[in-house]
Amino acid sequence: DAGITQSPRHKVTETGTPVTLRCHQTENHRYMYWYRQDPGHGLRLIHYSYGVKDTDKGEVSDGYSVSRSKTEDFLLTLESATSSQTSVYFCAISERGGMETQYFGPGTRLLVL
Amino acid sequence: QKEVEQNSGPLSVPEGAIASLNCTYSDRGSQSFFWYRQYSGKSPELIMSIYSNGDKEDGRFTAQLNKASQYVSLLIRDSQPSDSATYLCAVILYSGGGADGLTFGKGTHLIIQP
Repeated sequence: DAGITQSPRHKVTETGTPVTLRCHQTENHRYMYWYRQDPGHGLRLIHYSYGVKDTDKGEVSDGYSVSRSKTEDFLLTLESATSSQTSVYFCAISERGGMETQYFGPGTRLLVL
Repeated sequence: QKEVEQNSGPLSVPEGAIASLNCTYSDRGSQSFFWYRQYSGKSPELIMSIYSNGDKEDGRFTAQLNKASQYVSLLIRDSQPSDSATYLCAVILYSGGGADGLTFGKGTHLIIQP
């Protein structure tokens, strides 16, 4: 987890409320990713970023938006949380993207009631 | 649809023995292959990466890749109780766009019996 922090680490919220999760890195890596992990599904890519203000969708992007205004921060927003978004969210970083290794942050456990 | 398949286990191995974890992938264009270890309640931690056919060794760990058979495996020699975890196989299909995400298998739960 060195060089990657996520906040909050745990959050409980109610259906319909907006939620923002933050990923912060100190490695100055260009590429950042958001994944969610659910029992029976494994880890799935939500969104990724290949530079400041450059983002794109992953496999399960519906209901999520992202922003990256600084190299070190990548925000994931649930505009109106639903119970199906209850999950563990992991941020990952990669220095050069492509085929390179991705390193994961400690995760955020989100419960939507 | 890219798919990565792993036996969910649990795989139970005696301490000191060799643990063998297997993974198959569906997309023949996959170019990068990774094994992550995940302890309960923790984040995935990189164990090995492999890009070319053959074996790659790092300490007690050996990754094996066979692109013709679309198969990647991880061997853990002299298994220790601390190796008990879920092992995630992941692949990247490099599209040239520069930011391809990992496609993960659902993981194999490994238990090392003292």
